[in-house]
Amino acid sequence: QSALTQPASVSGSPGQSITISCTGTSTDIGSYNLVSWYQKHPGKAPKLLIYEDIKRPSGVSNRFSGSKSGNTASLTISGLQAEDEADYFCSSYGGRTTSVFGGGTKLTVL
Amino acid sequence: EVQLVESGGGLVKPGGSLRLSCAASGFTLSTYWMHWVRQAPGKGLVWVSHINSDGSRTGSADSVKGRFTISRDNAKNTMYLQMNSLRAEDTAVYYCARDYNWNALDHWGPGTLVTVSS
Repeated sequence: QSALTQPASVSGSPGQSITISCTGTSTDIGSYNLVSWYQKHPGKAPKLLIYEDIKRPSGVSNRFSGSKSGNTASLTISGLQAEDEADYFCSSYGGRTTSVFGGGTKLTVL
Repeated sequence: EVQLVESGGGLVKPGGSLRLSCAASGFTLSTYWMHWVRQAPGKGLVWVSHINSDGSRTGSADSVKGRFTISRDNAKNTMYLQMNSLRAEDTAVYYCARDYNWNALDHWGPGTLVTVSS
C-alpha cells in the first residue's frame, strides 16, 4: 500500500491551465478505472472533483477534468481562478478491499 | 441534506484506546460503503479503513491493521472506528466519508482531532 506519487507543488497564473499528475502501479491505477480527485482547503473537509478517472459530480465546475494513461492519472484545471488555490489529492482503489491516496499537491495561483 | 459528523476524538496516551463515531443524516446509511481517512498535521490525506454497506466486508491500511476496527450500526445511522494501541504517529484529524460509487467519497464530515501524546 504505497502512496500514489504526486508533485509536491504546481503553480499557474489566473486564466492559465495546469495539470497535476498522479502515478501509481499496475495493481492500483493501472488495474481499475477508479481514480478520484479531491480539493482541500486548509481547515475544510475535502471536496470530490473527479471520480472513475474522468467523471465529474454534479455541481463541480467543468474547468476540472480527469484523464488517465497506464499507471498515471492526471487532473487538469483550466481557466485558473484565485479560489482554486488549495491542496489536491488523488486516490485509487488498490484492490483487495484497500484504497490509497497520493501525497498531495499544493496549487499556488500566482 | 447529507450530513456526517464525527465525534470521540481527544487526547490519549500512547498505548491507549479511543472510539470514534460518525453520525449520518439526510440519507440512508445502509446503502453506502463508508470510509475513515486521516490527515496528520501538515501532512496529506491517508486512507485508514472502509466498510461495505451491511458491515460484512472491511478493509484497512497496513499501518492500522490489527489495531483499528471499523464497524457500523445502520439502525443507529452510525459508523465507528475503534482505535487500540495508539501511537504518536496516529495523531491526526480523522474524517468519515460516504462512498458514492467505488472510491468516490462525495460527502465528508468536518473531522475530529485525535492527539496521542504522553
